[in-house]
Amino acid sequence: DTEVTQTPKHLVMGMTNKKSLKCEQHMGHRAMYWYKQKAKKPPELMFVYSYEKLSINESVPSRFSPECPNSSLLNLHLHALQPEDSALYLCASSPRTSGFGAGGDTQYFGPGTRLTVL
Amino acid sequence: AQTVTQSQPEMSVQEAETVTLSCTYDTSENNYYLFWYKQPPSRQMILVIRQEAYKQQNATENRFSVNFQKAAKSFSLKISDSQLGDTAMYFCAFMKPGATNKLIFGTGTLLAVQP
Repeated sequence: DTEVTQTPKHLVMGMTNKKSLKCEQHMGHRAMYWYKQKAKKPPELMFVYSYEKLSINESVPSRFSPECPNSSLLNLHLHALQPEDSALYLCASSPRTSGFGAGGDTQYFGPGTRLTVL
Repeated sequence: AQTVTQSQPEMSVQEAETVTLSCTYDTSENNYYLFWYKQPPSRQMILVIRQEAYKQQNATENRFSVNFQKAAKSFSLKISDSQLGDTAMYFCAFMKPGATNKLIFGTGTLLAVQP
């Protein structure tokens, strides 16, 4: 089973709203990722959690706040977003195996949340 | 810094035909991984195939195979017996295993399979 789930599928919010995106996996993966994807562009990495600890923040504005409550769950809290933040937000997870020949930490993606900021 | 280049923004193929998508990359690393992901209109990124750089044998997954040329830094994807469901954006990606396992994506190739 290589399923990563994300909720909601679609989200429309105003610039003063606070909302959260949720990502869940039950594959025992210990690394989880948030990506932002604009139309017809490749995904851009935002955050990486490894063993529930934030290991990468790709200079993302503070209006995006990630949280990893446990090894299966990843949240992205949104506050005071701008219209240019409208995008597809993808979550991914990987086994976090180490060493070569151990799967290469292949990332498995969820279906994404389509976010529109008005 | 590593870069990934996909020089074909769009391609079209007839159903049941074979098509090859190109990908080149630049790195000074010797050990790394390469991936092809597809993203259909439903938008979920789906892993198509993975190649370990230390393996000389080209990876295959059913109708999908790669031509990995390490010296030339080339990693093309061949899709045989194309099906309508293969219509998608295809992204080539590079990863250097390590503390972050960051994926470096190409700009993508939009493949349309025509009936």
